[in-house]
Amino acid sequence: DAGVIQSPRHEVTEMGQEVTLRCKPISGHDYLFWYRQTMMRGLELLIYFNNNVPIDDSGMPEDRFSAKMPNASFSTLKIQPSEPRDSAVYFCASSLGRTNTEAFFGQGTRLTVV
Amino acid sequence: KQEVTQIPAALSVPEGENLVLNCSFTDSAIYNLQWFRQDPGKGLTSLLLIQSSQREQTSGRLNASLDKSSGRSTLYIAASQPGDSATYLCAVPGSGNTGKLIFGQGTTLQVKP
Repeated sequence: DAGVIQSPRHEVTEMGQEVTLRCKPISGHDYLFWYRQTMMRGLELLIYFNNNVPIDDSGMPEDRFSAKMPNASFSTLKIQPSEPRDSAVYFCASSLGRTNTEAFFGQGTRLTVV
Repeated sequence: KQEVTQIPAALSVPEGENLVLNCSFTDSAIYNLQWFRQDPGKGLTSLLLIQSSQREQTSGRLNASLDKSSGRSTLYIAASQPGDSATYLCAVPGSGNTGKLIFGQGTTLQVKP
């Protein structure tokens, strides 16, 4: 397996624009996580899915953020409208299950909102 | 609520030294603990996963220990090399073992040649 694949690797957008980040988890993994990393706050869990169903979205900062997982091999994180304070690295990760939480991370998407 | 703390935040050592990174967590009811490495501008690479039934796990020059009762884990790096320079993060499942991971802030290690 190629591991967790994220796209794009880098995204620069203007404030107010819609941004969509994409993730392909490792095949067979039932859990998918979206994290955000900043210098100030470290790694924060935004939302996670189990079997394509959102389980906990309490980390999603505002209604401007939304995430979907239409099938087991694809997830999106959307920010609309984007703001400069959304600039961060966004990571997607996947794992096998609740009692086997060994997580594998993608390379991340570095988002810059100007 | 599970909280994870890593000490020290940064560490600088000369090449060849053995060193220990510390991780503590507040809720000891965990299935496992995972150590990651992150290079600047890169993603997280899983180093070691210790199951709750294990006391330690080894991979090459790395040895991770787990003491659930005291809520602590250590990552021991033997004979450090400049290539070990990176940020090391530990992570444990959130309270209730719901499947999500809670991360510490990391220890940034610099190994000087």
